[in-house]
Amino acid sequence: DTGVSQNPRHKITKRGQNVTFRCDPISEHNRLYWYRQTLGQGPEFLTYFQNEAQLEKSRLLSDRFSAERPKGSFSTLEIQRTEQGDSAMYLCASSLRDKSYNEQFFGPGTRLTVL
Amino acid sequence: GQQVMQIPQYQHVQEGEDFTTYCNSSTTLSNIQWYKQRPGGHPVFLIQLVKSGEVKKQKRLTFQFGEAKKNSSLHITATQTTDVGTYFCAFLAYSGAGSYQLTFGKGTKLSVIP
Repeated sequence: DTGVSQNPRHKITKRGQNVTFRCDPISEHNRLYWYRQTLGQGPEFLTYFQNEAQLEKSRLLSDRFSAERPKGSFSTLEIQRTEQGDSAMYLCASSLRDKSYNEQFFGPGTRLTVL
Repeated sequence: GQQVMQIPQYQHVQEGEDFTTYCNSSTTLSNIQWYKQRPGGHPVFLIQLVKSGEVKKQKRLTFQFGEAKKNSSLHITATQTTDVGTYFCAFLAYSGAGSYQLTFGKGTKLSVIP
């Protein structure tokens, strides 16, 4: 399977705990994105990497959220001191930079439930 | 910031009927993308439109970008049960320092009654 993969697919945690999600993009894609999606809403942009550089971070993103892409390949998204409002589907997408406009390929997502 | 509004929020159609969803912006957009998300699935890219008045077809799906580049539509002819899902419009905006941000509408959820 050469698509975008995400792990874990589901995560249930207690409020206050830290969680980390992983995204493996399509191998030749140098752009990687994280989104959050809640029920009945479209995906909401969180952050964007080009290779290992984090070029954009949503102003709506709390300081409790941090993302890395250490070698320009896989990426991790960590949420510290989780809150019930963090419960959502976290989607990762990747694209190839060869022109300005690119389709994004989404992974299956990690569904986070904070109790 | 720029936003897009989608209407309707929900649409129930009898199988075989046509379906249209609309995407509107108060500002001019440089591009529009459409994605489909099946129930329990993830968004899947359908198409991108960049030219004023552009019309593209994919089998039973017709996509339009308005002349003023402020609105777009997706029309499905003779819906099938496989068309069930939520259809999102989105636009890609350059936000500086080589960064692009994709902003989604809230989507139109299509149900098809067999």
